[in-house]
Amino acid sequence: ILNVEQSPQSLHVQEGDSTNFTCSFPSSNFYALHWYRWETAKSPEALFVMTLNGDEKKKGRISATLNTKEGYSYLYIKGSQPEDSATYLCASLNTGGFKTIFGAGTRLFVKA
Amino acid sequence: EAQVTQNPRYLITVTGKKLTVTCSQNMNHEYMSWYRQDPGLGLRQIYYSMNVEVTDKGDVPEGYKVSRKEKRNFPLILESPSPNQTSLYFCASSPRTGGIYEQYFGPGTRLTVT
Repeated sequence: ILNVEQSPQSLHVQEGDSTNFTCSFPSSNFYALHWYRWETAKSPEALFVMTLNGDEKKKGRISATLNTKEGYSYLYIKGSQPEDSATYLCASLNTGGFKTIFGAGTRLFVKA
Repeated sequence: EAQVTQNPRYLITVTGKKLTVTCSQNMNHEYMSWYRQDPGLGLRQIYYSMNVEVTDKGDVPEGYKVSRKEKRNFPLILESPSPNQTSLYFCASSPRTGGIYEQYFGPGTRLTVT
């Protein structure tokens, strides 16, 4: 079983702060890395799908980078807002893209 | 509306009573998957299906069965549920197998086995 680790486990920030979290994954047999946003009482929703080393993706105030050689991805949120409060999940897919291994998530709390 | 649906959304049952959780998608997706979510553990994959009649085990398949007889449906079967299967279950689908497509999640099914 691949181990996907996310840190920190939880994070409390003030509105307007910029923040980032880490997803670490085994670099061998890497195929793709997904980021999802999961709000309480809702379903996870995709933020980014990343496949290439050096990939950078951006959606509004949220961006992500990928380093497949060393096995990590960063998610950045610029100017956090209360509505950004959610759990952010990353998932690694191995060669073939069949099996999906999720990390335990980073729970973000943004205080107004 | 493009969506993944699951039924039931909530279920309380007793040990040993067979149950099925249905999952259906209307997006003509090839790939479907079942996950369970437990506190502190994140989402763990139970089974996945690459297409009709093609399924394989994820990381935690013990105690579960699946079938994929039609492209749109991917039911999860618990032949003899036990309390350790109390969890939040999500079904997800993706256009193709291969990981380069995001997964679309259903609303979740909260199962309690007493």
